[in-house]
Amino acid sequence: NAGVTQTPKFQVLKTGQSMTLQCAQDMNHNSMYWYRQDPGMGLRLIYYSASEGTTDKGEVPNGYNVSRLNKREFSLRLESAAPSQTSVYFCASSVTESPTYEQYFGPGTRLTVT
Amino acid sequence: LAKTTQPISMDSYEGQEVNITCSHNNIATNDYITWYQQFPSQGPRFIIQGYKTKVTNEVASLFIPADRKSSTLSLPRVSLSDTAVYYCLVGPSFGNEKLTFGTGTRLTIIP
Repeated sequence: NAGVTQTPKFQVLKTGQSMTLQCAQDMNHNSMYWYRQDPGMGLRLIYYSASEGTTDKGEVPNGYNVSRLNKREFSLRLESAAPSQTSVYFCASSVTESPTYEQYFGPGTRLTVT
Repeated sequence: LAKTTQPISMDSYEGQEVNITCSHNNIATNDYITWYQQFPSQGPRFIIQGYKTKVTNEVASLFIPADRKSSTLSLPRVSLSDTAVYYCLVGPSFGNEKLTFGTGTRLTIIP
């Protein structure tokens, strides 16, 4: 099992450009999440999807859109990138209604917006 | 979700036992306490979870007093590879879609 994979690993964008971050998991998990982590900070939830076909806003959704393409894949789109979106983006997945509060994280995408 | 408070940083020497305490005064009846570990340039990794008393696994122990207003993560005989940021999270086991990570505790192991 690869677990949670993310592409790309690194990306540099100019202000106003758009891009999509891809995430896939092979653990048959129902729930998937997108977080951002700014330098020296904890993770903040951007969007999550409790099941295929559903998405909900997290703590910091402005400037982002998501698509739960199927059970495996959950993408994050920046329509018009801004320097404030420079961050490391983590995707995660979990089993809904699990007895443990465990999320599995991908390796992250380091995004710089100039 | 219950707010948590933990030390910003801690140093310890190799081979020692390290205890990181987390305060969560407004923990709810159905909340669990969960700890994650994050190495530089990696995503967080689940370490341990508990509801009350003591939980132990191959990595750590989690001590939770009867009032559940705090908890202590114990790492036995730490090594340099335990240098990481440790996050304490409190929330319901079900409906776990809204994990809230604080700034965590940056643990540095000194040789």
